[in-house]
Amino acid sequence: GQNIDQPTEMTATEGAIVQINCTYQTSGFNGLFWYQQHAGEAPTFLSYNVLDGLEEKGRFSSFLSRSKGYSYLLLKELQMKDSASYLCVQMDSNYQLIWGAGTKLIIKP
Amino acid sequence: GAVVSQHPSWVICKSGTSVKIECRSLDFQATTMFWYRQFPKQSLMLMATSNEGSKATYEQGVEKDKFLINHASLTLSTLTVTSAHPEDSSFYICSASFPVSDSSPLHFGNGTRLTVT
Repeated sequence: GQNIDQPTEMTATEGAIVQINCTYQTSGFNGLFWYQQHAGEAPTFLSYNVLDGLEEKGRFSSFLSRSKGYSYLLLKELQMKDSASYLCVQMDSNYQLIWGAGTKLIIKP
Repeated sequence: GAVVSQHPSWVICKSGTSVKIECRSLDFQATTMFWYRQFPKQSLMLMATSNEGSKATYEQGVEKDKFLINHASLTLSTLTVTSAHPEDSSFYICSASFPVSDSSPLHFGNGTRLTVT
């Protein structure tokens, strides 16, 4: 099947670091995206990984291990505005997107 | 800045009427646009792929006669919800890849919240 697994909800403290994990089916892979979606809004693009390793973009970093079918999104120096859902999205061999259900991140003061 | 514009942001209509939602690519030509639907607390669900100059490709379970898609130009795709019913109330979002390539990230319109009374 085509499954994206990510935690349903996570809670973290303002100023801390949080890692959101995602696993996917390794057959048919053309990249892994992370999107941020605030409640009631459209998703916004955060990162794209197609090769193994860590991609850093300011406070956000994304990691990929293709052999393990594993990715994570790392958020540093958490701010209250980071409270949102984070969507892990796999692009398959046909360039179709497979969406995870999202991880709701709750930031507490 | 925004690369995809969607209109209207929200609409309330009566059951049985039709509603048109527009999706425009700004400053680039989108041969392909995507339409998603999202129910509360659920992930995005792809409804259809809109192809300029040809028929849209609908996902399984999506009624093509109910959700009419027209992609008449390289910068505009429209989704018309025909004979809307309360169960069609949802958040509809369009997107396009930019830069235009298979592996480019999707950029989304702001979405349209449809409420059918």
